[in-house]
Amino acid sequence: DIQMTQSPASLSASLEEIVTITCQASQDIGNWLAWYQQKPGKSPQLLIYGATSLADGVPSRFSGSRSGTQYSLKISRLQVEDIGIYYCLQAYSAPLTFGSGTKLEIK
Amino acid sequence: QVTLKESGPGMLQPSKTLSLTCSFSGFSLSTSGMVVSWIRQPSGKSLEWLAAIDWDGDKYYNPSLKSRLTVSKDTSNTQVFLKITSVDTADTATYYCARSPEASNSGYPIFDYWGQGVMVTVSS
Repeated sequence: DIQMTQSPASLSASLEEIVTITCQASQDIGNWLAWYQQKPGKSPQLLIYGATSLADGVPSRFSGSRSGTQYSLKISRLQVEDIGIYYCLQAYSAPLTFGSGTKLEIK
Repeated sequence: QVTLKESGPGMLQPSKTLSLTCSFSGFSLSTSGMVVSWIRQPSGKSLEWLAAIDWDGDKYYNPSLKSRLTVSKDTSNTQVFLKITSVDTADTATYYCARSPEASNSGYPIFDYWGQGVMVTVSS
């Protein structure tokens, strides 16, 4: 199975701050990487797919990037509504595997 | 408008078979490239992909659970089912179904719509 190592596990940041979350894949997965946001008590919501493509309706302050087998999700100006848990997912090969999650809070 | 909704027993005893239904609207599973998957999440933990079925009826399973899982769909392509045999307390989780349309030039929008989830508790 492909392992997705996500960091940090938790993050506290101020409003308007830039936030970056990373996932390291255990092998080459190309651009088969997606990011999700999960708010308390809710289902995950797709933010980024294809490593860098913004999903429909997602604010442009969210962006994704790739450097080799390391993937990053950046929130350019943190807003209150961005609190939640963020997960990466590799969709390169079965079984599809998620990262362990990053809990984002407002400082 | 795309919607998915999971339904299930809520609670069941160890060693029983868990049967889940994903009912959806706003798209058809007969559309080329369409896939519906099952994903679960124990309380406070990350997500685990379980199984998927695609528009052509092909089925995919997580090898760690494959012997216990069966995914299927109805002939009208508006419902997908998941059965998990011999459940135990480790199967206690919220179970989601999610759809994935065909990949485009910009990538594969995997799990672009999710159901609200159904909580399942395995307890004697």
